[in-house]
Amino acid sequence: DADVTQTPRNRITKTGKRIMLECSQTKGHDRMYWYRQDPGLGLRLIYYSFDVKDINKGEISDGYSVSRQAQAKFSLSLESAIPNQTALYFCATSAWGQPQHFGDGTRLSIL
Amino acid sequence: TQLLKQSPQFLSIQEGENLTVYCNSSSVFSSLQWYRQEPGEGPVLLVTVVTGGEVKKLKRLTFQFGDARKDSSLHITAAQPGDTGLYLCAGERGAQKLVFGQGTRLTINP
Repeated sequence: DADVTQTPRNRITKTGKRIMLECSQTKGHDRMYWYRQDPGLGLRLIYYSFDVKDINKGEISDGYSVSRQAQAKFSLSLESAIPNQTALYFCATSAWGQPQHFGDGTRLSIL
Repeated sequence: TQLLKQSPQFLSIQEGENLTVYCNSSSVFSSLQWYRQEPGEGPVLLVTVVTGGEVKKLKRLTFQFGDARKDSSLHITAAQPGDTGLYLCAGERGAQKLVFGQGTRLTINP
């Protein structure tokens, strides 16, 4: 079983819809992150959380929100999806001072 | 603006050749990490370099961190088809926040 699980793996939706991407982990890490990956741009940080009561904006948080429901769960929401949010989305986790471990991603297409 | 610039973005070479990928910035990083990503999967950490001038080897892969901790390189000796993939560098700027380069898509032809 994967240590960092993202659901769904693929999603196609329409402009204006609300979408939630979910991430759960079994690694016991306190830190969780959401990134998006676009061709030619690498990964960019959207939001990160260092514990259940801590939420921080990353480099590109506009148009996104997050919820840290438990230490093991961190969800990313697009309140009203737009086509330029079409991308690969990755969740990652880490312990303090340790490298980040990534899930296998969600491919999101907004028509 | 891209804080970390990777070059080249695409590289296609024959099996057995050597190659170097560069990761450059005007900013100082507390550490620099190299990842490899396969299609349909997330990035997987290859190595972390922390000290300026540090060199780490992972079989045929050699990673170097610049003396000023602003740049890094990945050198692959005698490339094999199994080395094909997307290579990403990422600099840490504190609080474990990573800044990624654009990636280098490497193809090794048999």
